[in-house]
This record gives sequence, structure tokens and C-alpha cells, in this order.
Amino acid sequence: NAGVTQTPKFQVLKTGQSMTLQCAQDMNHNSMYWYRQDPGMGLRLIYYSASEGTTDKGEVPNGYNVSRLNKREFSLRLESAAPSQTSVYFCASTPSSGNYGYTFGSGTRLTVV
Amino acid sequence: AQSVTQPDIHITVSEGASLELRCNYSYGATPYLFWYVQSPGQGLQLLLKYFSGDTLVQGIKGFEAEFKRSQSSFNLRKPSVHWSDAAEYFCAVGAPEDTGKLIFGQGTTLQVKP
Repeated sequence: NAGVTQTPKFQVLKTGQSMTLQCAQDMNHNSMYWYRQDPGMGLRLIYYSASEGTTDKGEVPNGYNVSRLNKREFSLRLESAAPSQTSVYFCASTPSSGNYGYTFGSGTRLTVV
Repeated sequence: AQSVTQPDIHITVSEGASLELRCNYSYGATPYLFWYVQSPGQGLQLLLKYFSGDTLVQGIKGFEAEFKRSQSSFNLRKPSVHWSDAAEYFCAVGAPEDTGKLIFGQGTTLQVKP
């Protein structure tokens, strides 16, 4: 099925460990986004990529890095995980940066202990 | 800066009753406005959106929303709620000149009583 695929679905990390969250879309979308969802705070933008080859910071970028590997894939890396990064992470894509027709992945639930 | 407020964290309605979820935004001009729904353990699904034109917009699953510029509001309504509507609902704002970024409200959890 066409859409946004996120891996893994669940992950537990120890403080200080690193990991990469993977996101891939097969809809030929140009723009991709990483959000985190925390109770009572809605979704907050971490990083986005308006087009292949570009990335920009969102509202809460500290502690994260991203890579737009190609048009399909947009990964999010935690270099040294902290308990404050315990969250549910969503990847989303849109056809272009001016098109707000978001397609969301099903999320990655990350716990940092 | 843009912001979105959903005043109600939790709402409980009886099945068959009408529903209104509130959303207020802060933005200097008319933004793009959205409502999303999230079922437990799932991603977000777009219910409806407003860009311009008719201020009453129809969405999927029988939902509608009305843009009121004077009140900076975009409230979501449904005439008769079904048990399957129990979920979390998010209002979101996008700036027309921005790069597709959305600002989300805190969310409203809807519980439906049988």
C-alpha cells in the first residue's frame, strides 16, 4: 500500500545511546517532516525537508539530526538519547512544500531510560 | 508567531448527540486551517481543511468545520456522534507563505458514551 513507512515501531534506549529512526514514502512526494508527539502538547516539528537535498530546523531541533538520503527517505538521528526525548515520533510527507496534504506514518514510540 | 489553542482537553458525549470541538488560532492573516483525527496507536488522518472561500467546509466521516475570522476560530462539528468517533482530534494551522509546516493544537480527546 502506498504511504509513509516508519521503522521501528517501538524502541527502548538507554540514556546516551544513539539510534536512527527511518522514514520512507512511495508517493513521489517532495517534502518530508519529522514531528514528535507528547501528551498535552500536540505535535511539534523537529526538522523538515522541503525538497531533496534541503533540510531545515523546526520548533524543537535540539538533540536531533536528519538526513534526506534521497527523495524517498528521510531519517532522524538521536546521537545521545536523553529521557526528555521519550516520545512518539511521526514522519509525514506532502507533494510539495506549498501543499499541505500531509500523509502521516504510523509512528515510532521511543522510550529512553 | 502562529499558535493554536484547543481549550478542551477531554470531551465526553453520548452516542447520537451532537459534537463541537473548539479551536482558536493566532495569526496575522488568514491561515490555512486543518482538523486531524488520531485513533489509538495510529497516525493522523485529515478530516478537513480550509484554505479560502466558503467558510463552512465539509470533511470525511460526516464532520464539518466553520471558519470565523472575527473570532479567530475553526470549530469542528458533527450532528450525531458514533461510538467509532472516539479518538483524539487535532486542530492545525499552516501559514500560506511557509514551507508546508503545520502548528498543531494540544489535542482534544473525545470519549463517546453508549
